[in-house]
Amino acid sequence: SQQGEEDPQALSIQEGENATMNCSYKTSINNLQWYRQNSGRGLVHLILIRSNEREKHSGRLRVTLDTSKKSSSLLITASRAADTASYFCAPQETSGSRLTFGEGTQLTVNP
Amino acid sequence: EAQVTQNPRYLITVTGKKLTVTCSQNMNHEYMSWYRQDPGLGLRQIYYSMNVEVTDKGDVPEGYKVSRKEKRNFPLILESPSPNQTSLYFCASSFEQGYTEAFFGQGTRLTVV
Repeated sequence: SQQGEEDPQALSIQEGENATMNCSYKTSINNLQWYRQNSGRGLVHLILIRSNEREKHSGRLRVTLDTSKKSSSLLITASRAADTASYFCAPQETSGSRLTFGEGTQLTVNP
Repeated sequence: EAQVTQNPRYLITVTGKKLTVTCSQNMNHEYMSWYRQDPGLGLRQIYYSMNVEVTDKGDVPEGYKVSRKEKRNFPLILESPSPNQTSLYFCASSFEQGYTEAFFGQGTRLTVV
């Protein structure tokens, strides 16, 4: 199994601004998932995007996937203080591969 | 409510004293796993189970044991805890490994002194 590498490691923005986080991976994937973790709590699933999809939306979240560049991005629009959290991507090679995580992007949204 | 429940949430123990962290899910998921999270190292998988009586090692299995006697439960056992097992532990479950979303427990913060 492979893990994604999130970039940047840390991001600090003002409330109302957009936040973009990136994820790179090494091999072909079946799908890629994004998760959020509030400090010290369990991860919460945000979006799953399949390899044949290029973009997916969920509320203020927009995820893109570029399989040719082996990268994905998570955009949070009109950020709120409550969006402050760590964000992780999890690329998955096949339906049987393990779910592995990198170190995530620590997002801080200042009120 | 769909959930993964871990117990205890916090635990302080002494070196060598056996302990068990329980994990239970109410979603009839086949796949369950344990992770530990340490600063600078991210989340690392300890063990996983694809179904009852089927378990396998993750990336950092040394010093841990698991069992899967029932579909809903996946306890993590530390036979002889050591200080380097001080960490934040998470249990997770999903319907199908790698193809559907995973649900995480709230975490167990373990300190071994």
